[in-house]
Amino acid sequence: QSALTQPRSVSGSPGQSVTISCTGTSSDVGGYNSVSWYQQHPGKAPKYMIYDVSKRPSGVPDRFSGSKSGNTASLTISGLQAEDEADYYCCSYAGSNTYVFGIGTKVTVL
Amino acid sequence: QVQLVQSGAEVKTPGASVKVSCKASGYTFTGHNIHWVRQAPGQGLEWMGWINPNSDNTNYAQKFQGRVTMTRDTSISTAYMELNSLRSDDTAVYYCALGGGRYHFDHWGQGTLVTVSA
Repeated sequence: QSALTQPRSVSGSPGQSVTISCTGTSSDVGGYNSVSWYQQHPGKAPKYMIYDVSKRPSGVPDRFSGSKSGNTASLTISGLQAEDEADYYCCSYAGSNTYVFGIGTKVTVL
Repeated sequence: QVQLVQSGAEVKTPGASVKVSCKASGYTFTGHNIHWVRQAPGQGLEWMGWINPNSDNTNYAQKFQGRVTMTRDTSISTAYMELNSLRSDDTAVYYCALGGGRYHFDHWGQGTLVTVSA
């Protein structure tokens, strides 16, 4: 199972929007509405931000949104804030009770 | 509140085995799968497998089959991940994560650093 493809880094100024893509195949991202996104600050455990492609858990700001088209899922952070600077990972169900993560994207707030 | 508390850091020599524990609290232990995810230094997250604490069923990523064993002790609400035949590239932080929803991981342990070095 190959890792999902994400850009290595994205950046934006405070208040701007950034979008992180997550590209897989029809066997994972494209085959299921089961993509989740995780935020990880340095030295910390990941925290889930989006599940089932576009659902936001309680406590996650509505600045975070998710979507999917075909084999590519996306995470958009609107109104970028300094505390959003972190690594972000997508994850998809890949069938047969297995999962695959993306390679991760570093978000830098300029 | 849900908590997953993992055992402490380990240093192992190549060829040895390591067993990491994950003690759960704040929810019904047998109600949700526990997943294991690892992260090598400076690298991304890698899913290793899961265990169903109720049925004791497991499912492992193909990469780890034959080398990993996930178990649980329901009497103390604790899940375990044992990795054998350790190599230097197994050096990583190992996380347990709760599969509270059907297809995502909604709570994570603090991570356990396993260092494999001669």
